[in-house]
Amino acid sequence: DTGVSQDPRHKITKRGQNVTFRCDPISEHNRLYWYRQTLGQGPEFLTYFQNEAQLEKSRLLSDRFSAERPKGSFSTLEIQRTEQGDSAMYLCASSLEGRNSPLHFGNGTRLTVT
Amino acid sequence: GDSVTQMEGPVTLSEEAFLTINCTYTATGYPSLFWYVQYPGEGLQLLLKATKADDKGSNKGFEATYRKETTSFHLEKGSVQVSDSAVYFCALSMDSNYQLIWGAGTKLIIKP
Repeated sequence: DTGVSQDPRHKITKRGQNVTFRCDPISEHNRLYWYRQTLGQGPEFLTYFQNEAQLEKSRLLSDRFSAERPKGSFSTLEIQRTEQGDSAMYLCASSLEGRNSPLHFGNGTRLTVT
Repeated sequence: GDSVTQMEGPVTLSEEAFLTINCTYTATGYPSLFWYVQYPGEGLQLLLKATKADDKGSNKGFEATYRKETTSFHLEKGSVQVSDSAVYFCALSMDSNYQLIWGAGTKLIIKP
């Protein structure tokens, strides 16, 4: 079990550019989540996959955000036309099914939009 | 709707002090309850969990008991160490809810 890995750890981009982040979940986990966290706040849910199906997307999420999990394994989160307000830590987590199954988080990708 | 309320931080203690971080919840059913910890510069880690009333979760000297009558899941540790300095998040999960509902987090600072 190598844990959840995210790449890159840090990303600095200029406003208006597109960015893409990658998440590799724990291999036997069929659920994968993306969260966003800003300083001093708890994680904010963005979207969720069960296998390759994206089952829910936060209503607060702009249509500039898109996520994929093409083969039910790794996932990508793309932000188009980045804005300064997108600066945050983007967290990926994975889990087994069931409400008692804890989430296993990666170390996150810190995005800074200048 | 369902929600989690944590005590505001930061909480500052001296090493070997007793720790309590309060967490209360509002839920329409019977949630599972979790404490996650985030060390500086790292991702969130599960610290402990409890899945039904009167269950006690424990890990690394930390404990929390699922109290249905008071809708609480307070985190305790008998003797804290400098290495316990982190942000602690309380969260709940419902049967029909695939996502965790999070508290705002409590920053803990332990001074030597």
